[in-house]
Amino acid sequence: DIVLTQSPGTLSLSPGGRATLSCRASQTITSNYLAWYQQKPGRAPRLLVYGASRRATGVPDRFSGSGSGTDFTLTITRLEPEDFAVYYCQQYDISPQTFGQGTKVEIK
Amino acid sequence: QVQLQQWGAGLLKPSETLSLTCGVSGGSFSGYYWSWIRQPPGQGPEWIGEINHSGIATYNSSLKSRVSISVDRTQDQFSLRLTSVTAADTAVYYCARVATTSCCSYFDSWGQGTLVTVSS
Repeated sequence: DIVLTQSPGTLSLSPGGRATLSCRASQTITSNYLAWYQQKPGRAPRLLVYGASRRATGVPDRFSGSGSGTDFTLTITRLEPEDFAVYYCQQYDISPQTFGQGTKVEIK
Repeated sequence: QVQLQQWGAGLLKPSETLSLTCGVSGGSFSGYYWSWIRQPPGQGPEWIGEINHSGIATYNSSLKSRVSISVDRTQDQFSLRLTSVTAADTAVYYCARVATTSCCSYFDSWGQGTLVTVSS
């Protein structure tokens, strides 16, 4: 199985700050099949980015994805209060589809 | 906008069978794959398996011997069965739609989640 390792585990930032989240795959995956999700407590994950860099419908442009091969990044500029949550990367390239263990973005 | 509504028993004893159903409304049922995903407390999600409207299913090999996913095209529903549950199966279970475009595949719509607790 492809293992997705996310870092850091927790990111403590202030509103207005910039968050850089990393997702590293145990083997090369096709960028088309790398997605990012946001999850808030008690809620289902919400799709933010697919195809490594394509924002989902309705997602603010302060969210951006990049990367290829084994290294992918989600960047959140100008953190808003509603952005403090847990973020997961996920690959759909090689079955079984797998998720990372998550990065929590918390208020400093 | 598509909506996924799921239901099923939330408390099971060890060795019992988990059974959940997900109903799809507000969008097309055919032409998509439909997945089950679970998330143990404090952990990342785990893909369980998926099925298309024709009933072709694939499963995570880690659960393959115990899991089955079925579809009811007449009701736009799909269901999950997981046999011989143990405490390790305690998790929030989600149904989700798989969107597949010309470029990409991803989970674009999710059910509300069902907490399933396995305890004697």
